[in-house]
Amino acid sequence: AQKITQTQPGMFVQEKEAVTLDCTYDTSDPSYGLFWYKQPSSGEMIFLIYQGSYDQQNATEGRYSLNFQKARKSANLVISASQLGDSAMYFCAMRGLFNAGGTSYGKLTFGQGTILTVHP
Amino acid sequence: NAGVTQTPKFRILKIGQSMTLQCTQDMNHNYMYWYRQDPGMGLKLIYYSVGAGITDKGEVPNGYNVSRSTTEDFPLRLELAAPSQTSVYFCASSYGGVQYFGPGTRLTVT
Repeated sequence: AQKITQTQPGMFVQEKEAVTLDCTYDTSDPSYGLFWYKQPSSGEMIFLIYQGSYDQQNATEGRYSLNFQKARKSANLVISASQLGDSAMYFCAMRGLFNAGGTSYGKLTFGQGTILTVHP
Repeated sequence: NAGVTQTPKFRILKIGQSMTLQCTQDMNHNYMYWYRQDPGMGLKLIYYSVGAGITDKGEVPNGYNVSRSTTEDFPLRLELAAPSQTSVYFCASSYGGVQYFGPGTRLTVT
């Protein structure tokens, strides 16, 4: 079974500062993927960044980077130079494998989320 | 590209009523998913499909049914609505592992 844990229900950060959102995971799959999604107050789910379990380097996408520590089973999201528009709920998710008709497909397991508030 | 679209955006149902949540994607993705998000929680998988004619249950399938007659459409059917089905429902499609979500349907059962 797979599990994603986000231990920070809420985080606060000053505008223009960096913030780290924590995510730990548990899986017995040798191959998996880790994702971060942003959910603003409007409700949509926005894909931010992806890290594969075999990727050697940490993923980066603009101001977002994923601090992947495989031995510790952690995949923390780092947002640099926070902006007011970054205020939102952030979800960490893991893609595991499920079997259908003998073939494996990706399934996302989500953490409970962290609410980030950026102060001016 | 419209991406993933869902209708309706909002709906209020009485207990025992039925309805279908519509989901359409124009990205030619084979994989499609239905999730529900309860207040303050992450998303839980209801049903998924790996292609037209192929569907299977996720974590929380009870009270729901799906069909997939085309690549584009993946409707979710609620039979005999119950207050426990009050939630926000998201449809998603995927290619290359990344799932792209629709805007969601906020459903209230009273």
